[in-house]
Amino acid sequence: QKEVEQDPGPLSVPEGAIVSLNCTYSNSAFQYFMWYRQYSRKGPELLMYTYSSGNKEDGRFTAQVDKSSKYISLFIRDSQPSDSATYLCAMSTFLAAGNKLTFGGGTRVLVKP
Amino acid sequence: EAGVVQSPRYKIIEKKQPVAFWCNPISGHNTLYWYLQNLGQGPELLIRYENEEAVDDSQLPKDRFSAERLKGVDSTLKIQPAELGDSAVYLCASSLDASGGKDTQYFGPGTRLTVL
Repeated sequence: QKEVEQDPGPLSVPEGAIVSLNCTYSNSAFQYFMWYRQYSRKGPELLMYTYSSGNKEDGRFTAQVDKSSKYISLFIRDSQPSDSATYLCAMSTFLAAGNKLTFGGGTRVLVKP
Repeated sequence: EAGVVQSPRYKIIEKKQPVAFWCNPISGHNTLYWYLQNLGQGPELLIRYENEEAVDDSQLPKDRFSAERLKGVDSTLKIQPAELGDSAVYLCASSLDASGGKDTQYFGPGTRLTVL
Protein backbone atom coordinates (compact mmCIF):
# COMPACT_ATOMS: atom_id res chain seq x y z
CA GLN A 1 0.00 0.00 0.00
CA LYS A 2 1.28 3.44 -0.94
CA GLU A 3 1.87 6.02 1.77
CA VAL A 4 -0.21 8.58 -0.12
CA GLU A 5 -3.29 7.62 -2.13
CA GLN A 6 -4.96 9.85 -4.68
CA ASP A 7 -7.78 9.09 -7.11
CA PRO A 8 -6.27 9.31 -10.61
CA GLY A 9 -9.46 10.62 -12.24
CA PRO A 10 -9.96 12.01 -14.78
CA LEU A 11 -12.33 14.46 -13.17
CA SER A 12 -14.37 16.37 -15.72
CA VAL A 13 -16.38 19.43 -14.66
CA PRO A 14 -18.12 22.32 -16.46
CA GLU A 15 -16.59 25.76 -16.28
CA GLY A 16 -17.59 27.58 -13.10
CA ALA A 17 -18.09 24.42 -11.06
CA ILE A 18 -16.26 23.60 -7.84
CA VAL A 19 -13.49 21.07 -8.21
CA SER A 20 -12.94 18.83 -5.20
CA LEU A 21 -9.72 16.85 -4.89
CA ASN A 22 -8.46 14.73 -2.03
CA CYS A 23 -5.69 12.51 -0.76
CA THR A 24 -5.42 10.04 2.06
CA TYR A 25 -2.21 9.07 3.78
CA SER A 26 -1.03 6.44 6.20
CA ASN A 27 2.09 7.97 7.78
CA SER A 28 1.07 9.96 10.85
CA ALA A 29 4.51 11.60 10.87
CA PHE A 30 3.60 13.77 7.89
CA GLN A 31 3.33 17.34 9.06
CA TYR A 32 3.56 19.46 5.93
CA PHE A 33 1.03 19.21 3.15
CA MET A 34 1.26 20.66 -0.30
CA TRP A 35 -0.70 20.78 -3.52
CA TYR A 36 1.11 21.01 -6.83
CA ARG A 37 -0.35 21.64 -10.26
CA GLN A 38 1.27 20.04 -13.29
CA TYR A 39 0.39 21.00 -16.82
CA SER A 40 1.12 18.58 -19.62
CA ARG A 41 4.83 18.43 -20.51
CA LYS A 42 5.70 20.73 -17.59
CA GLY A 43 7.13 20.28 -14.12
CA PRO A 44 4.94 20.53 -11.00
CA GLU A 45 4.39 24.01 -9.55
CA LEU A 46 3.45 24.66 -5.95
CA LEU A 47 -0.11 25.88 -5.45
CA MET A 48 -0.62 25.77 -1.72
CA TYR A 49 1.19 24.75 1.40
CA THR A 50 -0.08 24.12 4.92
CA TYR A 51 1.08 22.41 8.05
CA SER A 52 -1.89 22.59 10.39
CA SER A 53 -5.30 21.02 10.48
CA GLY A 54 -8.08 23.23 9.21
CA ASN A 55 -8.62 25.38 6.14
CA LYS A 56 -6.32 27.69 4.23
CA GLU A 57 -7.62 29.92 1.48
CA ASP A 58 -5.76 31.54 -1.40
CA GLY A 59 -7.95 33.18 -4.01
CA ARG A 60 -10.06 30.51 -5.67
CA PHE A 61 -8.18 27.73 -3.90
CA THR A 62 -8.90 26.26 -0.46
CA ALA A 63 -6.74 23.58 1.13
CA GLN A 64 -8.14 21.52 3.95
CA VAL A 65 -6.25 19.20 6.28
CA ASP A 66 -7.71 16.71 8.73
CA LYS A 67 -4.81 15.06 10.52
CA SER A 68 -7.07 12.93 12.71
CA SER A 69 -8.50 11.27 9.59
CA LYS A 70 -5.24 11.49 7.59
CA TYR A 71 -7.12 13.23 4.81
CA ILE A 72 -6.41 16.37 2.84
CA SER A 73 -8.48 18.20 0.25
CA LEU A 74 -8.15 20.94 -2.32
CA PHE A 75 -11.14 22.88 -3.56
CA ILE A 76 -11.10 25.07 -6.65
CA ARG A 77 -13.97 27.53 -6.89
CA ASP A 78 -15.25 29.05 -10.12
CA SER A 79 -13.13 26.63 -12.14
CA GLN A 80 -11.71 27.81 -15.46
CA PRO A 81 -10.50 25.88 -18.51
CA SER A 82 -7.00 27.04 -17.56
CA ASP A 83 -7.33 24.95 -14.38
CA SER A 84 -7.24 21.81 -16.53
CA ALA A 85 -4.14 19.99 -15.31
CA THR A 86 -2.98 17.19 -13.06
CA TYR A 87 -3.07 18.02 -9.36
CA LEU A 88 -0.59 16.31 -7.09
CA CYS A 89 -0.70 16.24 -3.33
CA ALA A 90 2.63 15.99 -1.54
CA MET A 91 3.63 15.57 2.07
CA SER A 92 6.73 15.65 4.19
CA THR A 93 7.82 14.99 7.75
CA PHE A 94 9.80 17.40 9.84
CA LEU A 95 13.46 16.69 9.36
CA ALA A 96 16.41 18.37 11.02
CA ALA A 97 17.81 18.78 7.54
CA GLY A 98 16.15 17.79 4.35
CA ASN A 99 12.74 17.90 2.81
CA LYS A 100 11.75 14.60 1.23
CA LEU A 101 8.39 14.96 -0.44
CA THR A 102 6.10 11.97 -0.85
CA PHE A 103 3.67 12.53 -3.69
CA GLY A 104 0.31 11.09 -4.49
CA GLY A 105 -0.21 9.74 -7.99
CA GLY A 106 -2.06 12.85 -9.17
CA THR A 107 -5.63 13.55 -10.27
CA ARG A 108 -6.22 14.73 -13.82
CA VAL A 109 -8.78 17.52 -14.01
CA LEU A 110 -10.55 18.71 -17.14
CA VAL A 111 -12.64 21.88 -17.00
CA LYS A 112 -14.90 22.11 -20.02
CA PRO A 113 -15.94 25.54 -21.39
CA GLU B 1 14.35 35.27 -12.53
CA ALA B 2 15.05 32.12 -14.51
CA GLY B 3 13.59 28.90 -13.22
CA VAL B 4 15.17 25.47 -13.08
CA VAL B 5 16.63 24.63 -16.47
CA GLN B 6 16.91 21.08 -17.75
CA SER B 7 18.29 19.63 -20.94
CA PRO B 8 17.61 17.87 -23.13
CA ARG B 9 13.83 18.07 -22.98
CA TYR B 10 13.43 14.80 -24.87
CA LYS B 11 15.76 11.88 -25.43
CA ILE B 12 15.25 8.64 -27.33
CA ILE B 13 17.87 5.94 -27.05
CA GLU B 14 18.31 2.23 -27.64
CA LYS B 15 18.45 -0.01 -24.59
CA LYS B 16 21.93 -0.62 -23.18
CA GLN B 17 23.06 2.82 -24.35
CA PRO B 18 24.22 5.47 -21.85
CA VAL B 19 22.31 8.72 -21.35
CA ALA B 20 22.89 11.87 -19.32
CA PHE B 21 20.61 14.64 -18.14
CA TRP B 22 21.69 18.10 -17.08
CA CYS B 23 20.13 20.47 -14.57
CA ASN B 24 20.83 24.10 -13.71
CA PRO B 25 19.03 25.10 -10.50
CA ILE B 26 17.71 28.52 -9.57
CA SER B 27 20.58 30.82 -8.70
CA GLY B 28 21.43 30.69 -5.02
CA HIS B 29 19.52 27.48 -4.30
CA ASN B 30 21.68 25.18 -2.20
CA THR B 31 19.53 22.08 -2.42
CA LEU B 32 19.01 20.14 -5.61
CA TYR B 33 16.77 17.13 -6.19
CA TRP B 34 16.42 14.58 -8.94
CA TYR B 35 13.03 12.88 -9.26
CA LEU B 36 11.69 10.13 -11.47
CA GLN B 37 8.10 10.42 -12.70
CA ASN B 38 6.48 7.46 -14.41
CA LEU B 39 3.39 7.97 -16.54
CA GLY B 40 0.33 8.56 -14.36
CA GLN B 41 2.39 8.63 -11.17
CA GLY B 42 3.73 11.26 -8.84
CA PRO B 43 7.43 12.11 -8.75
CA GLU B 44 9.69 9.87 -6.67
CA LEU B 45 12.94 11.14 -5.21
CA LEU B 46 16.14 9.65 -6.60
CA ILE B 47 18.76 11.81 -4.94
CA ARG B 48 19.09 15.04 -2.99
CA TYR B 49 22.14 17.29 -2.82
CA GLU B 50 23.03 19.86 -0.22
CA ASN B 51 25.54 21.98 -2.09
CA GLU B 52 27.89 19.39 -3.60
CA GLU B 53 27.15 16.63 -1.10
CA ALA B 54 24.66 13.86 -1.86
CA VAL B 55 22.79 13.63 1.44
CA ASP B 56 20.02 11.24 0.40
CA ASP B 57 20.65 8.76 -2.41
CA SER B 58 18.87 5.81 -0.85
CA GLN B 59 16.43 5.51 -3.78
CA LEU B 60 19.05 5.79 -6.51
CA PRO B 61 19.69 2.45 -8.29
CA LYS B 62 23.44 2.63 -7.98
CA ASP B 63 24.20 -0.26 -10.28
CA ARG B 64 23.26 1.83 -13.30
CA PHE B 65 22.50 5.35 -12.11
CA SER B 66 25.01 7.96 -11.04
CA ALA B 67 24.83 11.65 -10.32
CA GLU B 68 27.17 14.49 -9.59
CA ARG B 69 26.92 18.12 -8.63
CA LEU B 70 30.24 19.76 -9.25
CA LYS B 71 30.89 23.04 -7.43
CA GLY B 72 27.46 22.82 -5.86
CA VAL B 73 25.60 24.33 -8.82
CA ASP B 74 24.78 22.33 -11.96
CA SER B 75 24.08 18.64 -11.73
CA THR B 76 24.20 15.68 -14.09
CA LEU B 77 22.27 12.44 -13.79
CA LYS B 78 23.55 9.49 -15.79
CA ILE B 79 22.16 6.08 -16.64
CA GLN B 80 24.48 3.41 -17.98
CA PRO B 81 23.27 1.13 -19.42
CA ALA B 82 19.67 2.20 -19.94
CA GLU B 83 16.88 -0.38 -19.71
CA LEU B 84 13.38 -0.35 -21.16
CA GLY B 85 11.92 0.29 -17.70
CA ASP B 86 13.88 3.54 -17.41
CA SER B 87 11.49 5.25 -19.81
CA ALA B 88 10.03 8.07 -17.74
CA VAL B 89 10.32 11.78 -17.06
CA TYR B 90 13.33 12.85 -15.02
CA LEU B 91 12.62 16.00 -13.03
CA CYS B 92 15.10 18.28 -11.37
CA ALA B 93 14.06 20.58 -8.54
CA SER B 94 15.85 23.07 -6.34
CA SER B 95 15.17 24.83 -3.07
CA LEU B 96 16.84 27.61 -1.17
CA ASP B 97 17.41 25.78 2.10
CA ALA B 98 16.00 22.35 2.90
CA SER B 99 16.40 22.58 6.67
CA GLY B 100 13.20 22.48 8.64
CA GLY B 101 11.29 20.32 6.22
CA LYS B 102 9.14 23.05 4.70
CA ASP B 103 11.24 24.68 2.05
CA THR B 104 9.54 25.19 -1.31
CA GLN B 105 10.86 23.07 -4.14
CA TYR B 106 10.82 24.53 -7.64
CA PHE B 107 10.70 22.05 -10.48
CA GLY B 108 12.15 22.15 -13.94
CA PRO B 109 10.20 20.99 -17.02
CA GLY B 110 11.82 17.56 -16.97
CA THR B 111 13.56 15.35 -19.50
CA ARG B 112 11.33 12.78 -21.12
CA LEU B 113 13.36 9.62 -21.77
CA THR B 114 12.22 6.89 -24.13
CA VAL B 115 14.25 3.68 -24.21
CA LEU B 116 13.62 1.48 -27.27
